[in-house]
Amino acid sequence: AQSVTQLGSHVSVSEGALVLLRCNYSSSVPPYLFWYVQYPNQGLQLLLKYTSAATLVKGINGFEAEFKKSETSFHLTKPSAHMSDAAEYFCAVSLWAGGFKTIFGAGTRLFVKA
Amino acid sequence: DVKVTQSSRYLVKRTGEKVFLECVQDMDHENMFWYRQDPGLGLRLIYFSYDVKMKEKGDIPEGYSVSREKKERFSLILESASTNQTSMYLCASTPSQDQETQYFGPGTRLLVL
Repeated sequence: AQSVTQLGSHVSVSEGALVLLRCNYSSSVPPYLFWYVQYPNQGLQLLLKYTSAATLVKGINGFEAEFKKSETSFHLTKPSAHMSDAAEYFCAVSLWAGGFKTIFGAGTRLFVKA
Repeated sequence: DVKVTQSSRYLVKRTGEKVFLECVQDMDHENMFWYRQDPGLGLRLIYFSYDVKMKEKGDIPEGYSVSREKKERFSLILESASTNQTSMYLCASTPSQDQETQYFGPGTRLLVL
């Protein structure tokens, strides 16, 4: 069965520090991979997605993620955290199963300290 | 921009009440989804629909039903609300030409007392 594992339910960084949110997936076929962000009291919005065109994917707000097939990972990074990055981040995979099915990780809440 | 709207941001209901959560999208998307979001569990799929009057069970359909009478509207129904249905409910839609990317509404936070 396909699954998505996000390591760390909470991550805290200082403003200006590197952000690294980890995601590993299990899939028997190459999936589409996503990171979504959820700001307080809002729905999820797409941060970036991997569709096999390039292993390093750039998203909005300075975030990027690298697809590593050998490690089945899709970690999210940002070189310098900003206070406005405080949110919950969800890694997700979409697979074709007679229609696209999306499986979400449990989420990682990012705290940014001044 | 795709816009997905949900009828209520916050809702308080009593145990046993029938609850309707409405979702409307304005981009002519074929596919619509209902999820519930709980801390530590991520998003879990309740029901989805690939077409008008069509519905499919997701991973946790028990205690829920859905209705899709028009393409733009997908309703989630709690026939008899229970306290364990207190949660954040998120609606999403996808177009047929980009089915893997989901567009979400703002969510409805439901409290069942």
